[in-house]
Order: sequence, then structure tokens, then C-alpha cells
Amino acid sequence: QKEVEQNSGPLSVPEGAIASLNCTYSDRGSQSFFWYRQYSGKSPELIMSIYSNGDKEDGRFTAQLNKASQYVSLLIRDSQPSDSATYLCAVLGFQKLVFGTGTRLLVSP
Amino acid sequence: GAVVSQHPSRVICKSGTSVKIECRSLDFQATTMFWYRQFPKQSLMLMATSNEGSKATYEQGVEKDKFLINHASLTLSTLTVTSAHPEDSSFYICSAANREYEQYFGPGTRLTVT
Repeated sequence: QKEVEQNSGPLSVPEGAIASLNCTYSDRGSQSFFWYRQYSGKSPELIMSIYSNGDKEDGRFTAQLNKASQYVSLLIRDSQPSDSATYLCAVLGFQKLVFGTGTRLLVSP
Repeated sequence: GAVVSQHPSRVICKSGTSVKIECRSLDFQATTMFWYRQFPKQSLMLMATSNEGSKATYEQGVEKDKFLINHASLTLSTLTVTSAHPEDSSFYICSAANREYEQYFGPGTRLTVT
């Protein structure tokens, strides 16, 4: 079983819709979770960090964490074509992040 | 977010030569820096974890004598690819972590070995 799992996609949504990206992790003791966005040919960019159960909102982005289910998600409201990228879920292990393979999001105009 | 710079952004070198890549955290002191490699259409692969003033911790399968890491200060880490070969051609990315373990990535270095 992979430590951090994401659906590779692509997830296709129309402009203006809500994109929902999901991630599950195997280490029940994990406490810190991160979402990164990576455009093709570029390095990852930190979007959100979340440490407590529940929702955390930042602009159009909402991260949701459910430690009991070992599940973390990222919602993108009012999706824009510029949101088209690969979204990486990362879970803090021992001093280092464990990344999922990423979900490719395509937002069509 | 924090700013991490990386230099050079792109380098082409001949097989057998060495290449040094610099990573700097510009606006915060990084407790730990990391070096990743990413091949086309593949996910990030952690190569090593670097703490200031101590030896780097390499991931399994990464040759420490080939990929030399020096972490001279809380804001600077360097990766030297020694005796580079075409199979070392890749996108090398560093990151710097703050005290909340948030990692901020540099823009990456695209290495091509001919």
C-alpha cells in the first residue's frame, strides 16, 4: 500500500465549477498535511497546510482533513483555466514530506 | 510564502564533468533543506535531507559520493553532481523547511548531460 494515494486523473471540470481533489494516507499518526500545485515544467508551490480536523479556507481554496478516515481533500471554488495543473498531496513523515503522485486537474473554458 | 532561489536554472554539461547547484532560502532561516529529482511525467523523488552543519541523510538508492551535498549555513545548501552521465539528466529541485515543516521549493534546475 502506498503511503499517500491520489487519483492520477485527469480530473476535468468546467470553468466556474468546484474541483474536488482527494488524498488518503496510511500513517494514522500523521499530524501535518499539505497541498502543492505544480504546473508543467515548474517546481511545486505550497497552497495550503492543515493540521487539525475540519475545514481550512484560504480564498478559493478549502482544505478538509479527517484524521479518523485518514483522508484529506482540497476544494477549489470557481475553478479557472489557470488552475489547470497537477496537485500534490503531502503528509509529514519523520522530518520529511511523503508526496502522493498527484492529480492532474484540467479546467476547460 | 517564503522565497527559495536556485541557481542555475538550466545547465548543459559534458559527460564526466561535475555540476554544482545552489539553493538559498532568501527570507527565512531553514532548519532543513531537501533535494529532489523529477523525471518527465513522474512524481518528485526525494534524494536527500540536509541539516545545517551536519552530514546529509540520503534516501535509499541515492549515491552519496555521486551527489555531494553541503549545507554551509541556515540559508544555503549546494548539490554537486559529480562525474555526470546522461542518465543524470533530470529536473533537480531543492526545498527549504520552516519550523512548521512547511516546505518551500526553489524554481528547479534542469540538468542536461551530453
